[in-house]
Amino acid sequence: GAVVSQHPSRVICKSGTSVKIECRSLDFQATTMFWYRQFPKQSLMLMATSNEGSKATYEQGVEKDKFLINHASLTLSTLTVTSAHPEDSSFYICSARVGVDQPQHFGDGTRLSIL
Amino acid sequence: ELKVEQNPLFLSMQEGKNYTIYCNYSTTSDRLYWYRQDPGKSLESLFVLLSNGAVKQEGRLMASLDTKARLSTLHITAAVHDLSATYFCASYPLRGAQKLVFGQGTRLTINP
Repeated sequence: GAVVSQHPSRVICKSGTSVKIECRSLDFQATTMFWYRQFPKQSLMLMATSNEGSKATYEQGVEKDKFLINHASLTLSTLTVTSAHPEDSSFYICSARVGVDQPQHFGDGTRLSIL
Repeated sequence: ELKVEQNPLFLSMQEGKNYTIYCNYSTTSDRLYWYRQDPGKSLESLFVLLSNGAVKQEGRLMASLDTKARLSTLHITAAVHDLSATYFCASYPLRGAQKLVFGQGTRLTINP
């Protein structure tokens, strides 16, 4: 149980393109989803916390107009990287949890490469 | 603000040896998580430690939590090559925003 599906697993696109990444909780309802970014050989950096039906809370330094997050249902959150540039290339990982005291379950990640 | 620090950050060891990875956290917390990450992959949950003195074991890995010392350890017994990976610990602050805070990660390489 507690499977989180993230799609796509890899994206390669040209600079200026907008890219949407989906994160789905397959067998549970996720009240909260999280979006992380990971640069090579570094730890995970939290970008934003997304609660179903409300606006995402972004971490300091993360541009909310650049990284649009939508959490429209208890099983789906999306991250859209708008007008992506090469510096947005990274590994993006989502996670989801049922409630405050519950563990997070991680998706398989999306490797984004902007040419 | 909760800070989580791992030690060492890099570890190269021989198969068959034992070693320990340390995870210190700066403020009161009652939960500690250990994850494994293989190159190019996402996180795999290894252990969830929820109380002081908690000890969990899975195969050659054993994790423990000392909330008084704000320390968790991940002990590797008789290491094998398949355990080569990056290991992260993470915790939530007891008070405040419920955001998981990760350590820097320990890159473990086990040589035959």
